[in-house]
Amino acid sequence: DQQVKQNSPSLSVQEGRISILNCDYTNSMFDYFLWYKKYPAEGPTFLISISSIKDKNEDGRFTVFLNKSAKHLSLHIVPSQPGDSAVYFCAASDSGNTPLVFGKGTRLSVIA
Amino acid sequence: EAGVAQSPRYKIIEKRQSVAFWCNPISGHATLYWYQQILGQGPKLLIQFQNNGVVDDSQLPKDRFSAERLKGVDSTLKIQPAKLEDSAVYLCASSPIGTAQYFGPGTRLTVT
Repeated sequence: DQQVKQNSPSLSVQEGRISILNCDYTNSMFDYFLWYKKYPAEGPTFLISISSIKDKNEDGRFTVFLNKSAKHLSLHIVPSQPGDSAVYFCAASDSGNTPLVFGKGTRLSVIA
Repeated sequence: EAGVAQSPRYKIIEKRQSVAFWCNPISGHATLYWYQQILGQGPKLLIQFQNNGVVDDSQLPKDRFSAERLKGVDSTLKIQPAKLEDSAVYLCASSPIGTAQYFGPGTRLTVT
């Protein structure tokens, strides 16, 4: 049973526009959520996180929104740049010091 | 600050052979994780160490996989004997307690 789901395997966005990546989870014990970016032949790179006490966290062009009642989070990238093209993984844990449960990833392509 | 180091980066072995991977975490990070990432999937935890003690190895196939973290720093993951389905990227991650995990570049294992 997949506890973290990224239902869109891929997404294409034009440069300068907003990219919205979505993630759903089923385990109500999750209270810490993260987004990672992965380039080919590299390990995942931490991007941004949010704890369940917040509903929004912003870092530069990246904003993560959390809707606990819907068990849904999203990553907004604005404006999107060609260098943002990568696979994005959503991950979740309970308490922050436990193993992460990952989604399958969404491949983002930003077209110049 | 140096990141998580892993070696080798690539390894090709025949089934039934053995293989070992090495990880050097970020200095001062108490927690170390090994994940397995099969193509098209998100990373899946194999084992979690806190200092040199095992916190969670419930998903480690213990009949063929073993891992150790001597002196609470470096870690090795071993597979003996390897099977075709062990072909994957093996990722090491480390974190201070209660924060995001930082990943190494991974070791891509191909079992033929």
